[in-house]
Amino acid sequence: AQTVTQSQPEMSVQEAETVTLSCTYDTSENNYYLFWYKQPPSRQMILVIRQEAYKQQNATENRFSVNFQKAAKSFSLKISDSQLGDTAMYFCAFTLSGAGSYQLTFGKGTKLSVIP
Amino acid sequence: EAGVTQFPSHSVIEKGQTVTLRCDPISGHDNLYWYRRVMGKEIKFLLHFVKESKQDESGMPNNRFLAERTGGTYSTLKVQPAELEDSGVYFCASSQGPLGGNSYEQYFGPGTRLTVT
Repeated sequence: AQTVTQSQPEMSVQEAETVTLSCTYDTSENNYYLFWYKQPPSRQMILVIRQEAYKQQNATENRFSVNFQKAAKSFSLKISDSQLGDTAMYFCAFTLSGAGSYQLTFGKGTKLSVIP
Repeated sequence: EAGVTQFPSHSVIEKGQTVTLRCDPISGHDNLYWYRRVMGKEIKFLLHFVKESKQDESGMPNNRFLAERTGGTYSTLKVQPAELEDSGVYFCASSQGPLGGNSYEQYFGPGTRLTVT
């Protein structure tokens, strides 16, 4: 069974600064996808960034980037130039690729507060 | 394009009562998922529909939970009878099919907060 661990229940960052959220996972499979989802207060969860395990290059989406270390089974999210709108719960998630339901396995989440 | 919608947004019921949650996926999405987050714990997978068929229901906690997807469109999740431990937020998500490209990407609804007292 796959597991995802987010070791930081809460974090805060000053506006315009950089913050890194940690995520580790455990799997015996080789082909999978990793995701970071964001859930702002009272709003629905949206996908921030995705990483295919077979790709060595780290994914980047504007101010969001990941540090994917496959051997270490680590998938951290870096948010640069933090903005007030980045305040949210952030969930790291995993799914196996190939045949199957593509169900997501989530971590417990990290509550990020951006301070003005 | 409308996103995934869920109804109701919040439901408060007494132990032993029945509650039905509804999810309307994005139009054209064959895959529909139900997840649940119990307070302080991870979001957990419940089940997956492909069109009207249950593809994977390995996450359903027990037979008090019944999910249906009529005609491959909207889905309902019924809890009968509800227990205290069923309290939590129930999320629905949908994705395109067949797989390929980014079709595995799941779009989430706002969730239904269920409180059993």
